[in-house]
Amino acid sequence: DAGVIQSPRHEVTEMGQEVTLRCKPISGHDYLFWYRQTMMRGLELLIYFNNNVPIDDSGMPEDRFSAKMPNASFSTLKIQPSEPRDSAVYFCASSLDYYSGQFFGPGTRLTVL
Amino acid sequence: RKEVEQDPGPFNVPEGATVAFNCTYSNSASQSFFWYRQDCRKEPKLLMSVYSSGNEDGRFTAQLNRASQYISLLIRDSKLSDSATYLCVVNGNAGGTSYGKLTFGQGTILTVHP
Repeated sequence: DAGVIQSPRHEVTEMGQEVTLRCKPISGHDYLFWYRQTMMRGLELLIYFNNNVPIDDSGMPEDRFSAKMPNASFSTLKIQPSEPRDSAVYFCASSLDYYSGQFFGPGTRLTVL
Repeated sequence: RKEVEQDPGPFNVPEGATVAFNCTYSNSASQSFFWYRQDCRKEPKLLMSVYSSGNEDGRFTAQLNRASQYISLLIRDSKLSDSATYLCVVNGNAGGTSYGKLTFGQGTILTVHP
């Protein structure tokens, strides 16, 4: 079975540009999570969805960040406008249900110049 | 107090050694517990769930003490391939604001050397 799929794997952009990260969760998983990881702050939960509905977006750093999940097999995380401090690895993860562990995608390494 | 706290590490052990990691969590209503491993520049991968009765998977043994809010991971007969960062992870309580949400410890780095 395919795991969580993320694209692109690497993104280099200039400050002020819009960045869109994409995620396809494991089929049948009801929960989807977006994380950001940096050396300084570790792994941070940005937002998560249950059955395509955003449940907790308290980790979204500011209004420049937005996330959508239009259907059960696709989610996007958008940064507009991007800033150098947004440089990080962004992971998407999904889980079957509340009690289960999460399975992570390979991540998108974002560099904002 | 952090929600999930782990041994600061790093741990540097020879092949064949036994190594133990400890973790404490602050939310007594937490429902699920896990250990993840993360290799350098890779995604975290689920290593094992942790059950109250304790559970074993090959060389790995996980224990949970709900009364003390304490989780442990024991690795026996360490291999070079066990070198990674080990993350203690706790799931939020059902019905609470952290429903479905995982909280990760800061991780403990393990290096197994020849």
